[in-house]
Amino acid sequence: GAVVSQHPSRVICKSGTSVKIECRSLDFQATTMFWYRQFPKQSLMLMATSNEGSKATYEQGVEKDKFLINHASLTLSTLTVTSAHPEDSSFYICSALTGLESQPQHFGDGTRLSIL
Amino acid sequence: GQNIDQPTEMTATEGAIVQINCTYQTSGFNGLFWYQQHAGEAPTFLSYNVLDGLEEKGRFSSFLSRSKGYSYLLLKELQMKDSASYLCAVLDSNYQLIWGAGTKLIIKP
Repeated sequence: GAVVSQHPSRVICKSGTSVKIECRSLDFQATTMFWYRQFPKQSLMLMATSNEGSKATYEQGVEKDKFLINHASLTLSTLTVTSAHPEDSSFYICSALTGLESQPQHFGDGTRLSIL
Repeated sequence: GQNIDQPTEMTATEGAIVQINCTYQTSGFNGLFWYQQHAGEAPTFLSYNVLDGLEEKGRFSSFLSRSKGYSYLLLKELQMKDSASYLCAVLDSNYQLIWGAGTKLIIKP
């Protein structure tokens, strides 16, 4: 069964709307979670590293005021896309750090965000 | 800078064998991973190599040569469901995954 749950799986909304995506580790505690973005036919791009109880670390070029990350508990991280615009339409994937070198990350199923 | 190279697209025939190559240049090395990703889905873990040599897992095998900065994923007895993108990723010295752009594999009957 899935060890990381990501919700919702698909969002379609109007431009200017803020969208919240949740990422939960189901049967383990994840002090560190990652948020990725993937455009069609491109690889995963790390947006930010989310650490429980502290501020997220954003990758260069990612607007922290645009993509708000909250990691308030050991099993939940949220990504809020604020005032979303069509260019924010993408596939967003979260993952949780396992602490195991043999399989370092468990991925959520992803969220397809479409801004009209 | 850190760089991972793999072919953009490959085509193979059902029942055949295909080898997907990956070369890397990273700051440190703590393992190399192969993931499979179907369109519109999250990646799924296939294999992990940290020592040189071949790791076999059913129809899939993965090879690593650390001195050459090279890995390949070998898929045997190809099935139509193997049509997907295959992502090579390296765990660097900071234990961060560095991703390749992925190889789209097209299987033809």
